[in-house]
Amino acid sequence: QKEVEQNSGPLSVPEGAIASLNCTYSDRGSQSFFWYRQYSGKSPELIMFIYSNGDKEDGRFTAQLNKASQYVSLLIRDSQPSDSATYLCAVNVAGGKLIFGQGTELSVKP
Amino acid sequence: KAGVTQTPRYLIKTRGQQVTLSCSPISGHRSVSWYQQTPGQGLQFLFEYFSETQRNKGNFPGRFSGRQFSNSRSEMNVSTLELGDSALYLCASSGGKPTDTQYFGPGTRLTVL
Repeated sequence: QKEVEQNSGPLSVPEGAIASLNCTYSDRGSQSFFWYRQYSGKSPELIMFIYSNGDKEDGRFTAQLNKASQYVSLLIRDSQPSDSATYLCAVNVAGGKLIFGQGTELSVKP
Repeated sequence: KAGVTQTPRYLIKTRGQQVTLSCSPISGHRSVSWYQQTPGQGLQFLFEYFSETQRNKGNFPGRFSGRQFSNSRSEMNVSTLELGDSALYLCASSGGKPTDTQYFGPGTRLTVL
C-alpha cells in the first residue's frame, strides 16, 4: 500500500463547477497535511494546509480532514480554466519530510 | 522576502559523472528538504537537513548525498550518475516543524546522457 494515495485522474470539470480531489494516507501519526498545485514545467506551490479534523476554507478552496478515516480532500468551487493543473496531496511524516501522492491532473473546460 | 533559489536550473551530464546542486533557502528557514520528481515515480523525498545535520532520509542509494552550511544553504551531490537519475530536483525550505509549510524552489532539471 502506498503511503499517500490520490484518486487517479485526469479529472475534467466544466467552468464554474466544483472540483473534488481526494487523498488517503497510511501513517496515523501524521500531524499536518498540505495541498500543492503544480503547473506543467513549474515547481509546486502551496494551496492549503490543514492540521485539525474538519473543514478549512480559503476563498474558493476548502480542505477537509478526517483523521479517523485517514482522509484528506480539497474542494475547488467555481472552477476556472486557470485552475487546470496537477494537484498534489502531501503528508508530513516527520520534521521536514513530506510524502506526496502521485497527483491528480485537473482540467477545467471553458 | 526572497524565495527559495536553486542553481543551476538546467544541467546535462553523462553517465558516470557526478553533479552538485545548490539550494538557498528563504531567509530564517533552517530546514532544507530535497525531492526528486520523475514522471513515473512522482515526487519522492531524498533527505532533509536541519541546522547542518541530516535529520531525515528517504530510500535512495548512497550515491545521493547532501550537506548544509551554517547559513542554511544546502548542496546535494549525486555520484556515478545513471540514466535513471534524469529528473527534476526540487529543494524546499521551512522553519523545520512538522506543521511548517515547505516552500519550493524552481528546481534543477538534470539530464543524464
